[in-house]
Amino acid sequence: SQTIHQWPATLVQPVGSPLSLECTVEGTSNPNLYWYRQAAGRGLQLLFYSVGIGQISSEVPQNLSASRPQDRQFILSSKKLLLSDSGFYLCAWSLPTGTNSPLHFGNGTRLTVT
Amino acid sequence: AQSVTQLDSQVPVFEEAPVELRCNYSSSVSVYLFWYVQYPNQGLQLLLKYLSGSTLVKGINGFEAEFNKSQTSFHLRKPSVHISDTAEYFCAVRSGGSYIPTFGRGTSLIVHP
Repeated sequence: SQTIHQWPATLVQPVGSPLSLECTVEGTSNPNLYWYRQAAGRGLQLLFYSVGIGQISSEVPQNLSASRPQDRQFILSSKKLLLSDSGFYLCAWSLPTGTNSPLHFGNGTRLTVT
Repeated sequence: AQSVTQLDSQVPVFEEAPVELRCNYSSSVSVYLFWYVQYPNQGLQLLLKYLSGSTLVKGINGFEAEFNKSQTSFHLRKPSVHISDTAEYFCAVRSGGSYIPTFGRGTSLIVHP
């Protein structure tokens, strides 16, 4: 069966510091991969998605970037964090075929920028 | 373009009472519909999905939802809720060959003893 791992679970970082969040998927090949952010009391905001290695689509301009160095690895990064980057970050995957595949989410990373 | 509206931001209910969480969508093409549950400080977990066929779909934890094409709705129901059902619930739609599902803003279900 497929599993998704996301780490770390919590992170406290000062303003201006770099960020790297990692997500890996097991048990499937060529998944679609997604990064979402969830601000306190608000819905899900899609940040990036990827349909293949090296293929990244950005949904909103921001202080963040994403990379997919391997088929089942998705990394969210920032060179300099802002206070507004605080939030709950969720990685998700779906099957590569068709649009009827649901998303499957990791357990999330709670990021606090101080 | 597709959109999802969850009409209630918060639904309080007493334990063992029935509950309905409402979801309406808009899309110009055929859709696939999903409900997710999110417990505090956790990721989203798939409750159920409508892909095709029977309009009444059953999911985990005793939840079910009914797809109504004419009303463009996909309401989530449970006949008797438990304290443990307290969580955030998200409705989502995928359509038209899009890689990107659209999520509603969520409904907070609060079950009181």
